[in-house]
Amino acid sequence: QVQLVESGGGVVQPGRSLRLSCAASGFTFSSYGMHWVRQAPGKGLEWVAVISYDGSNKYYADSVKGRFTISRDNSKNTLYLQMNSLRAEDTAVYYCAKDGAGGDGYNLWGQGTLVTVSS
Amino acid sequence: AIQLTQSPSSLSASVGDRVTITCRASQGISSALAWYQQKPGKAPKLLIYDASSLESGVPSRFSGSGSGTDFTLTISSLQPEDFATYYCQQFNNYPLTFGGGTKVEIK
Repeated sequence: QVQLVESGGGVVQPGRSLRLSCAASGFTFSSYGMHWVRQAPGKGLEWVAVISYDGSNKYYADSVKGRFTISRDNSKNTLYLQMNSLRAEDTAVYYCAKDGAGGDGYNLWGQGTLVTVSS
Repeated sequence: AIQLTQSPSSLSASVGDRVTITCRASQGISSALAWYQQKPGKAPKLLIYDASSLESGVPSRFSGSGSGTDFTLTISSLQPEDFATYYCQQFNNYPLTFGGGTKVEIK
């Protein structure tokens, strides 16, 4: 079954860290760039970060640069997002998403995991 | 960063109506644009990629057009299952960006 399953969300205090995981199955994970996208409660979508298929290239949104790190383990078919120095404004549902094979667009998304930053 | 401005931010329409949503980029992005549909509590779903290519399995009543800075998503005959929020996203430059969304509601 082709799917992405996120985990690792929860409630965390401001300034603390959290690591999200995204387990991929049903496709050749090591062939695709992968992204994190987030959505604050009641708000629109915000792109967070991307990692190339082999992990050699990474880009970040300005809002998370220097605090978040995207990584992947192709041997485990898993994508990660290490989130440090968390702020209240990082509260959101975090989705992982897969690059499309035929062009620009995410043709596979996870179900999302909620991160709440609160004291 | 490239800004994407969607309009309208919301609209009310009836089943069977033709609906058009626009997305304007702050600078040219060629055809590097995707459209998504999102329903409450669910992940977005890809509708259109490369500005005008219909994703496999998406009904043909959805279509996309445009290049450069101006893009449109058209639903030719609105169906009950189409009431949702729609987003555009540009892939031309990092950081990637999304439009603010258009909520399509039942009239």
